[in-house]
Amino acid sequence: DGGITQSPKYLFRKEGQNVTLSCEQNLNHDAMYWYRQDPGQGLRLIYYSQIVNDFQKGDIAEGYSVSREKKESFPLTVTSAQKNPTAFYLCASSISASGSHGNEQFFGPGTRLTVL
Amino acid sequence: GQSLEQPSEVTAVEGAIVQINCTYQTSGFYGLSWYQQHDGGAPTFLSYNALDGLEETGRFSSFLSRSDSYGYLLLQELQMKDSASYFCAVRNSSGGSYIPTFGRGTSLIVHP
Repeated sequence: DGGITQSPKYLFRKEGQNVTLSCEQNLNHDAMYWYRQDPGQGLRLIYYSQIVNDFQKGDIAEGYSVSREKKESFPLTVTSAQKNPTAFYLCASSISASGSHGNEQFFGPGTRLTVL
Repeated sequence: GQSLEQPSEVTAVEGAIVQINCTYQTSGFYGLSWYQQHDGGAPTFLSYNALDGLEETGRFSSFLSRSDSYGYLLLQELQMKDSASYFCAVRNSSGGSYIPTFGRGTSLIVHP
């Protein structure tokens, strides 16, 4: 079955620590995205990648970093510079970021990060 | 910049019809999409409108008016399982690609 997986489902971190969230897809999609969702809020774009070895900042990239070394993988690192990292993090993919194919995004199950 | 407005909450009874509105301000508009998200779950894609008019998919329909920067999601024959949050999203051109922006979501509560 094709899909997107995220791990772990729940993650606890101490203040000042960096943490990396995993996102893997086997849909053969070119584009991948990271969103942050706070309670009662919409999805805010952190980073996106249109193709391997390329990524762009979204609306709230400060305190986050990503890499896209393989088509199927798009890990997100939450650094200690992110002042309020407790949130629900969602990874998504689409066939491409251009044209009509980008309108349908497929989401992973999410990672709930809590800073202690 | 871009922004989307949708009601924060809508309530309805089983079997009824409900409409969730979405107005947007954006540049380089490239389609309005709708997603459903149950509590604690992942958003799932419902529909997409690039052109004016109504798109129907089973009990759900979505409408777009580009001249009014407005769209809506229509849910018919409501079921309890339709209780969820519904997000509208637009894509805006940015450096050759089209970047999605989501609204804050509408919480739909379906009562028996």
